[in-house]
Amino acid sequence: ETGVTQTPRHLVMGMTNKKSLKCEQHLGHNAMYWYKQSAKKPLELMFVYNFKEQTENNSVPSRFSPECPNSSHLFLHLHTLQPEDSALYLCASSQEGGGETQYFGPGTRLLVL
Amino acid sequence: GENVEQHPSTLSVQEGDSAVIKCTYSDSASNYFPWYKQELGKRPQLIIDIRSNVGEKKDQRIAVTLNKTAKHFSLHITETQPEDSAVYFCAASSRAAGNKLTFGGGTRVLVKP
Repeated sequence: ETGVTQTPRHLVMGMTNKKSLKCEQHLGHNAMYWYKQSAKKPLELMFVYNFKEQTENNSVPSRFSPECPNSSHLFLHLHTLQPEDSALYLCASSQEGGGETQYFGPGTRLLVL
Repeated sequence: GENVEQHPSTLSVQEGDSAVIKCTYSDSASNYFPWYKQELGKRPQLIIDIRSNVGEKKDQRIAVTLNKTAKHFSLHITETQPEDSAVYFCAASSRAAGNKLTFGGGTRVLVKP
């Protein structure tokens, strides 16, 4: 499937590193989302962007910094992460800002050492 | 905000039997209820959804029912097959809550041949 792509698929980083996750959607959608998926926990919404504007920050620590340069691209910049931040980070997109189907990317499996 | 509870957390069924997963939600203004299937190592994918103006929806072996009064909705899988083994997530979205999707905790379904 190529509708929503994410890179890298796997990432190992130290607590002092800086890295970025990238998401790209080819569906012509206007809303993009970052979710965190940890073992034995529900999908946690992190950020929402509608038409490139951030409309939701779900009390996410500042060590996670999103960027949405246009409606097709979404980044998650990571710095000074903690081991408990290890998780699967999923990007999703939808036509508009809610109430309709969200399409997920394959995720980036992040391990913080 | 919205709270979605999902039960059971794990479900083991014999191939050919039916599986039922139940979710309850707290926000009476919720009006969109999707179900996602996530196979091991893969992205969540929408399998069926229902809106609050409909009480039941069916797609081949999958059906979803909605009881707005009781604020619960259920996923029914009939004639289960090994490829139905996955984690299933319910979600609820309310315009009043900014159209965010709030996910349940997931149900791990194992279909035994």
